[in-house]
Amino acid sequence: DGGITQSPKYLFRKEGQNVTLSCEQNLNHDAMYWYRQDPGQGLRLIYYSQIVNDFQKGDIAEGYSVSREKKESFPLTVTSAQKNPTAFYLCASSIGASAIAKNIQYFGAGTRLSVL
Amino acid sequence: GESVGLHLPTLSVQEGDNSIINCAYSNSASDYFIWYKQESGKGPQFIIDIRSNMDKRQGQRVTVLLNKTVKHLSLQIAATQPGDSAVYFCAGRRGSNYKLTFGKGTLLTVNP
Repeated sequence: DGGITQSPKYLFRKEGQNVTLSCEQNLNHDAMYWYRQDPGQGLRLIYYSQIVNDFQKGDIAEGYSVSREKKESFPLTVTSAQKNPTAFYLCASSIGASAIAKNIQYFGAGTRLSVL
Repeated sequence: GESVGLHLPTLSVQEGDNSIINCAYSNSASDYFIWYKQESGKGPQFIIDIRSNMDKRQGQRVTVLLNKTVKHLSLQIAATQPGDSAVYFCAGRRGSNYKLTFGKGTLLTVNP
């Protein structure tokens, strides 16, 4: 069963704590993305990765970190430097980063992060 | 930079009617657009896409229209059903920058 799996579905963070959100895909996609969604808002790009061992900051990268050691995995760490982390986090992947290719991004089910 | 927005934050229709959701974009270099559907508590689902060299594209019960002159696109849903109730997002891509810019979404409510 192919797709994008995000875990956990719900996550609680204590003040000063780092937490890591998992994202795994078995679609053999090269590109992966992390977005943040606040209530009533669109999606804002946090980080993206075009290929293994490479990633770039998106529009709101401050307070977040990522790694891309494997093609299938793109974990997101929400650090203590992120002062307003409560949001719905979405991971996506697409087949490639080429301008020629259609860039349909396929999304996981999301992780809802709350602060205790 | 690119900005993508929608004309109305909410749209309410009767079951069986046609729905039209609108979206405007700012960058004339945008070459590719996608519509997504997001149900409550879930991730967005791909509905339909269109390249800038097309004016219209049809899918199953959905049609996307692109007007490059006024930088506007719309999603038309035929014979709207209760299962169509969701937030609909348009997203645009500008040239070789393959990142997508998302609008804020329109909440579609279908009344039985």
